[in-house]
Amino acid sequence: QSVLTQPPSASGTPGQRVTIPCSGSNSNIGTNTVNWYQVLPGAAPKLLIYSDDQRPSGVPDRFSGSKSGTSASLAISGLQSEDEADYFCAAWDDNLNGLYVFGTGTTVTVL
Amino acid sequence: QVQLQESGPGLVKPSQILSLTCTVSHGSISNGAYCWSWIRQHPGKGLEWIGYIYHTGSDHYNPSLKSRVSISVDTSKNQFSLRLNAVTAADTAMYYCARTYYDSVWGSFRLDSWGQGTLVTVSS
Repeated sequence: QSVLTQPPSASGTPGQRVTIPCSGSNSNIGTNTVNWYQVLPGAAPKLLIYSDDQRPSGVPDRFSGSKSGTSASLAISGLQSEDEADYFCAAWDDNLNGLYVFGTGTTVTVL
Repeated sequence: QVQLQESGPGLVKPSQILSLTCTVSHGSISNGAYCWSWIRQHPGKGLEWIGYIYHTGSDHYNPSLKSRVSISVDTSKNQFSLRLNAVTAADTAMYYCARTYYDSVWGSFRLDSWGQGTLVTVSS
């Protein structure tokens, strides 16, 4: 049911910058704010970015979010081994009387 | 720091009812600034939002599950619960509860604190 599209995988070496795109439509990203969640192996999802580009307290500033039109992206600067995880974008979708939709997810591998 | 903990049976038979409870601690479920959501993740797959409820009982569900799901709240116990009817193997998933911030004016909806999750398997 994912209406937000992400590449299945991304990778980089320690210290590199990795960018994860998230493509949506006018009913979700184009109208509402975007969040990003990090899912470490064996752990519960964690809110990483909210309201397009805001970091919750405790999230390192090497994580940043941006949005333009119906697309958003998550950037990880200075990639670290502990950043190996699945990353999901998400946004409220105004279709079907409204529902919260997640992206297809991207697995980040640190080489 | 609010904490959430899911509880309930880990095994449910096909066609029966899946019932889970989320207990909220270090925070009040009656805080009107938040609503409370259930989310699930199928094995090896993505996340699916199930629905939310406010402490007032006002709720909203994912249309794909609306005919089978209900969420209730017990403010006296600081808990909210999920009920999913007529389960099949397709309902096998990790189920999470989460505190939710929702501002419909600004189109802002986020799950800012999550429980650790509970795995529910549907099998005879």
